Amino acid sequence: SSELTQDPAVSVALGQTVRITCQGDSLRSYYASWYQQKPGQGPVLVFYGENNRPSSIPDRFFGSSSGNTASLIITGAQAEDEADYYCNCRDSTVNRVLFGGGTKLTVL
Amino acid sequence: EVQLVESGGGLVQPGRSLRLSCAASGFTFDDYAMHWVRQPPGKGLEWVSGITWNSGNIAYADSVKGRFTISRDNARTSLFLQMNSLRPEDTAMYYCAKVRNWRQGGEVAGSSYFDYWGQGTLVTVSS
Repeated sequence: SSELTQDPAVSVALGQTVRITCQGDSLRSYYASWYQQKPGQGPVLVFYGENNRPSSIPDRFFGSSSGNTASLIITGAQAEDEADYYCNCRDSTVNRVLFGGGTKLTVL
Repeated sequence: EVQLVESGGGLVQPGRSLRLSCAASGFTFDDYAMHWVRQPPGKGLEWVSGITWNSGNIAYADSVKGRFTISRDNARTSLFLQMNSLRPEDTAMYYCAKVRNWRQGGEVAGSSYFDYWGQGTLVTVSS
């Protein structure tokens, strides 16, 4: 399969830890990157590769990968983390980039 | 400061053409691959096309192959997307995005970490 699958919605209590997952065959060969998008704004890179976080992103954002699943983990979720999150990676068989369908994170 | 500013969107009838531009500044444009990503209203992100730093490799999503053409002018630090034979399903916000990796070789899809994005330009295809 050349798709990336994400849960449509996830919720987390303020200050708790949440895991957002992304599944796809291409993730067995390539690392994912993760993007946060808030309403009316362009996406922002929050984590990429094996273990990389842009300097402007809080250190409560982590990434992990195992088999065909990539995860974005937010420890101590804050109200400002409420947003849509997308994963992407390159297709392992075709010269193209894949995006997951996105996960809407609600911070309760 | 890296800036990507898209322009050229608007309302267009089905079957017509439109050319999008992305003006880049704040980084050495000709060292990085660039991509177009779109987002239909209320929906998720969809990769459209990518071009390597030297235009040596170009790729398209199946949904736009044969209708859209990506190009870049490194002297003008600009990225373009020529969109022909537009369809209602092409209606979306179109973003240009810069990749993280410097002069990555090989296939353009190999550089899929998009570290900067523009604010987008809206394309509406409707009669």
